[in-house]
Amino acid sequence: SQQGEEDPQALSIQEGENATMNCSYKTSINNLQWYRQNSGRGLVHLILIRSNEREKHSGRLRVTLDTSKKSSSLLITASRAADTASYFCATPNTGNQFYFGTGTSLTVIP
Amino acid sequence: EAGVTQSPTHLIKTRGQQATLRCSPISGHTSVYWYQQALGLGLQFLLWYDEGEERNRGNFPPRFSGRQFPNYSSELNVNALELEDSALYLCASSLGGSLWDEQFFGPGTRLTVL
Repeated sequence: SQQGEEDPQALSIQEGENATMNCSYKTSINNLQWYRQNSGRGLVHLILIRSNEREKHSGRLRVTLDTSKKSSSLLITASRAADTASYFCATPNTGNQFYFGTGTSLTVIP
Repeated sequence: EAGVTQSPTHLIKTRGQQATLRCSPISGHTSVYWYQQALGLGLQFLLWYDEGEERNRGNFPPRFSGRQFPNYSSELNVNALELEDSALYLCASSLGGSLWDEQFFGPGTRLTVL
């Protein structure tokens, strides 16, 4: 099964609200990365959190990492319509393959 | 600085044909990754090349193959195309050597198999 799995699969919120997405993984990691994909286009790297970090901020993004629970969350504060996209967590597995989850589809309604 | 480029943008083929997709990494990056994103599915890891060598491949049949050239650009070949090969194929590059590096993605090639 996938190394990274996001939850929820889809999320719809009003502009200005916060959006939270979760990711679970299975093996030990060095870091975990979050990416964003606008419809049918390439991915954009958002943020990387290392295994010895618990929380990281970048603008309106806040990522947490709980290695004991093998989970991470991405919080987007004060969402905007332009945040509408799919969000993926990604991390290598022990088999030297890089896994993305199926993603969370976020819709921000103006 | 130019980003990762992929060509063509769209490719339409018929079942049984071969498709060749190309990727140019960011200057200075030695690793190239290929992913398949079929409709409604997540990204599936296809291939990883670094310094001209295949480092690993995902769970895809041998008709998916590729290579990396001395200038670090890469080619993905899909032989004996099947309808389910229709997908967005994404290429990414990184500085190289480690899967832990940040990957920079190209815009993708959308392959349609009729």
